[in-house]
Amino acid sequence: DAGVIQSPRHEVTEMGQEVTLRCKPISGHNSLFWYRQTMMRGLELLIYFNNNVPIDDSGMPEDRFSAKMPNASFSTLKIQPSEPRDSAVYFCASKVGNEQFFGPGTRLTVL
Amino acid sequence: DQQVKQNSPSLSVQEGRISILNCDYTNSMFDYFLWYKKYPAEGPTFLISISSIKDKNEDGRFTVFLNKSAKHLSLHIVPSQPGDSAVYFCAARLGFGSNTGKLIFGQGTTLQVKP
Repeated sequence: DAGVIQSPRHEVTEMGQEVTLRCKPISGHNSLFWYRQTMMRGLELLIYFNNNVPIDDSGMPEDRFSAKMPNASFSTLKIQPSEPRDSAVYFCASKVGNEQFFGPGTRLTVL
Repeated sequence: DQQVKQNSPSLSVQEGRISILNCDYTNSMFDYFLWYKKYPAEGPTFLISISSIKDKNEDGRFTVFLNKSAKHLSLHIVPSQPGDSAVYFCAARLGFGSNTGKLIFGQGTTLQVKP
């Protein structure tokens, strides 16, 4: 199994631009999570899905952030418009049982 | 409101000695605790876990201790090896309601093991 796949691995964009991060969970996992890692707050949960349905999006910082999971094998996290304070590493994870498996992350830099 | 706290941002130990990483939590409804390890440019990987009904779980060089009355858990690595140098995240799971499965992570502790 290839594990959780995220793309792109690195993204550099200018303030105001739309950014779309992509995630392919591990096949058979029915829960998917989006996290943001910063130095100050560590790993913050942004949103998670069970069986493609958003369960808890209380961690999404603002309306500029949105996430979708159109099917069991694909999810996107979109930021529109992006701001410099959105610069961070964004992780996707999928779950079976008690353990979450993380992707390699997308390092986002907003100039 | 930081429900899971790792108060030490960094820790440095000598190879062969014990590394002790600490984690405190505030929510008594957490029912499961996990430690994740993260190398640079990689995602966190699961290391070891413990259920709230236990006070100790051991896996090779890694042992996690849980003190429920103090709402404190710790990860012991003995003996520490240079390859253990990484960021360690403590995580706690909410075990009830529609949020079952949601993990709350601490800020992480960077461990450096010196040869």
